[in-house]
Amino acid sequence: KAGVTQTPRYLIKTRGQQVTLSCSPISGHRSVSWYQQTPGQGLQFLFEYFSETQRNKGNFPGRFSGRQFSNSRSEMNVSTLELGDSALYLCASSLPDGGVAFFGQGTRLTVV
Amino acid sequence: QQQVKQSPQSLIVQKGGISIINCAYENTAFDYFPWYQQFPGKGPALLIAIRPDVSEKKEGRFTISFNKSAKQFSLHIMDSQPGDSATYFCAASFTPGTYKYIFGTGTRLKVLA
Repeated sequence: KAGVTQTPRYLIKTRGQQVTLSCSPISGHRSVSWYQQTPGQGLQFLFEYFSETQRNKGNFPGRFSGRQFSNSRSEMNVSTLELGDSALYLCASSLPDGGVAFFGQGTRLTVV
Repeated sequence: QQQVKQSPQSLIVQKGGISIINCAYENTAFDYFPWYQQFPGKGPALLIAIRPDVSEKKEGRFTISFNKSAKQFSLHIMDSQPGDSATYFCAASFTPGTYKYIFGTGTRLKVLA
């Protein structure tokens, strides 16, 4: 079974631009959650989607948004990028009835 | 109340030794406590998890000890090996129904050969 696939793996953007990151969950997994990982703040929850609906949201500004498609694939978007948005963005997928969250390898975003 | 405090920040252990990482939480509504292992360039991978109705869970060389009254839990790695060198994160969540994990700050473990 293929794991969680995140694309792209690396991304360099300029301040003020916007970016879209993609996550393909494990086949059969309908829950997708997103995390931001930085050396200073660690792993912080961004949002969680189940059946195309946002189920939970973390404490991030409105510049951070996401969505989930009918095939469970998810995207997150960050608008008006700031230097502080440089981070590893991780996606995790899970079965909807609880259990293990499987993480992808992440997308390394660098804002210059 | 949403925080999970993890210590130590870094840990160096000799091969064959015991590695111990501790976590503490405040919110008694948490009812699922996983530990994740992360190697450089990789996403976190679940190592072992426990629910508060169990005081200890063991899987191979990895053991979680859980103290509900003290609101603390810890990971013990027995017979630590150089391949265990990684960053370890404890986490807490409210289940079922959510994968909103509150992660600890991580412990960088180095096992010397």
